[in-house]
Amino acid sequence: ETGVTQTPRHLVMGMTNKKSLKCEQHLGHNAMYWYKQSAKKPLELMFVYSLEERVENNSVPSRFSPECPNSSHLFLHLHTLQPEDSALYLCASSQEDRGIQPQHFGDGTRLSIL
Amino acid sequence: AQKVTQAQTEISVVEKEDVTLDCVYETRDTTYYLFWYKQPPSGELVFLIRRNSFDEQNEISGRYSWNFQKSTSSFNFTITASQVVDSAVYFCALSDSTSGTYKYIFGTGTRLKVLA
Repeated sequence: ETGVTQTPRHLVMGMTNKKSLKCEQHLGHNAMYWYKQSAKKPLELMFVYSLEERVENNSVPSRFSPECPNSSHLFLHLHTLQPEDSALYLCASSQEDRGIQPQHFGDGTRLSIL
Repeated sequence: AQKVTQAQTEISVVEKEDVTLDCVYETRDTTYYLFWYKQPPSGELVFLIRRNSFDEQNEISGRYSWNFQKSTSSFNFTITASQVVDSAVYFCALSDSTSGTYKYIFGTGTRLKVLA
């Protein structure tokens, strides 16, 4: 089983829908991350969780709501999204949140907003 | 300021050619970490290497080699005898504690196309 699993792989939703992205890591890591990857832009760090507590929120609009119920699972709840939110959303995990250890990534969820 | 620059947006080479991907970084910290990741078309970023600021030894892993030079703030990545499977987007990343806590940022990536 791969280290970091993301579901769904693809998601198409309207602007008024509510959906959730799921991430699960099987590596025993303590930190988890959400990134947004848009075409021709750097990877944008959205949220960081360490030991299930949110330690970073990089000015992300409130229409994105993260949840980390335990150290193995991370969700990103979506509601009332905009077309510019269409992107690849990547989840990652690492042993700690201090940036010393490498991050392990999932395959991402390709999100399209109609 | 913390910054990672990958000036090469896209590179195309013919199979078996050597190719070097450039990475230039900026940091005010004396302790920092540099990383390279590979992102194949499947989407997952795959960790390739980590270097800390106190270790300037170059590293070789099979066809991959990395040249870390603090004097020029560069951490370049060379693929020798490239193969079609090397086609991917490659990201350089920097982690330092300039802002008080460690921040991890990525460059914009270099798309490598290896043609058969």
